Order: sequence, then C-alpha cells, then structure tokens
Amino acid sequence: GAVVSQHPSRVICKSGTSVKIECRSLDFQATTMFWYRQFPKQSLMLMATSNEGSKATYEQGVEKDKFLINHASLTLSTLTVTSAHPEDSSFYICSARGDYFSPTYNEQFFGPGTRLTVL
Amino acid sequence: QKEVEQNSGPLSVPEGAIASLNCTYSDRGSQSFFWYRQYSGKSPELIMSIYSNGDKEDGRFTAQLNKASQYVSLLIRDSQPSDSATYLCAGGGATNKLIFGTGTLLAVQP
Repeated sequence: GAVVSQHPSRVICKSGTSVKIECRSLDFQATTMFWYRQFPKQSLMLMATSNEGSKATYEQGVEKDKFLINHASLTLSTLTVTSAHPEDSSFYICSARGDYFSPTYNEQFFGPGTRLTVL
Repeated sequence: QKEVEQNSGPLSVPEGAIASLNCTYSDRGSQSFFWYRQYSGKSPELIMSIYSNGDKEDGRFTAQLNKASQYVSLLIRDSQPSDSATYLCAGGGATNKLIFGTGTLLAVQP
C-alpha cells in the first residue's frame, strides 16, 4: 500500500519550454500532496503543498506563476515548470500524505522523482 | 525558524556493527518524527515513524524519541553494505508540512 508514482522519470528540454510532471497515488486517496526540489548533495526543499480542489500553498521564494500546480483529483497532482531555464534543472520529487482513514495519515510517501535537465 | 539538525557525516561503520544516527529539532510543537533512507539518485523511502517518547523497533531498526531533549535517533543493528545511504530525519507539527534535516551519509564497510 501507499504507492506513489511520478511521470516522467527523466526529461530533457530546451530552454523556454514548459514541462509537466505528474504525481499519482496508486492505491490510496491523497487529499494532500507535496512538491519538493533537490539539488545535488543538498536536502529536500519543499516547494508547495497541493490540496485537492483548492489552490496550492507555495513556500517563500517559490514563484507560483513559474511552478504551476494542479490537484484536480484525489489521486493526481501535476507540476508544470513554465518557461524552463537551465537553473531549473533539478530532481523534482512529489509526496503524498497517507489516506485520511488509515494509520499512515501523518506519513508522507514519496514518488520516485523526475530528473529535469534544461539545455 | 524551525530546524532539524543532523551531522552530515559520513558515518562509517563496519559490516555487522550498530550504526547510530542522531537528530535534534528546535520546534517543541513537533509531534511526529520520521526517518527516511535515500540512496544516491533516488527518492526518499520511509523507514520509521515515531510519535511518542521511548523506543520503537522494526526489524533491525530502532527509533528513539526524547521530546524533553528534542532528540531523535535511529539505530541500525547488524549493519549491511546495502544500508549505505543518506538518512534523513524529519519532524512534523500541526501543519501538514515536514521539516527535513540535511541528512547523514552512512557508509557500511564490508
């Protein structure tokens, strides 16, 4: 149980293009998902909290118009990096909070991550 | 500012030994604590969660929590080379968010 998938696992794009990353909870409903970014040899940096059916809450310093988050269903959240530039190259990881009715409600389960390279 | 602090390591232990990983946190409002393992190039994997003072054991792993000292630890018994990874400590409070430490790199020597 508590499996989270991400797609794509790796993407290479040209500067100026937009990239969409999908995060799915496969065997449970996730009312809350999180998006993190991790640069090499650094820890996870929370970008935003995504709540199903409402606007995402962004962390300080994260541009909401650049990193568009949509959480339209209880099993899917998407992150779109708009007009990507080389400095956006990073490892993007989503996580989902456990099902509200399960003992894992306070736990976060991570997807496998998406490695973005912007040329 | 709410912080979770860990020694970055590397912590080197011989195969079969006990690895002891430590973590301190600053937010007394934190109610839940987690240990994640992250292999190089991969995403974090939840190993242990602990919510109350004392010890919690799961196989070769034991998590310890001392809220008075604001201290969390993870013991790995009979360490194996496959345990070599970065271990992330995280604390959660009233909000949904987790505060992560920078991680401790563990190297188990065969």
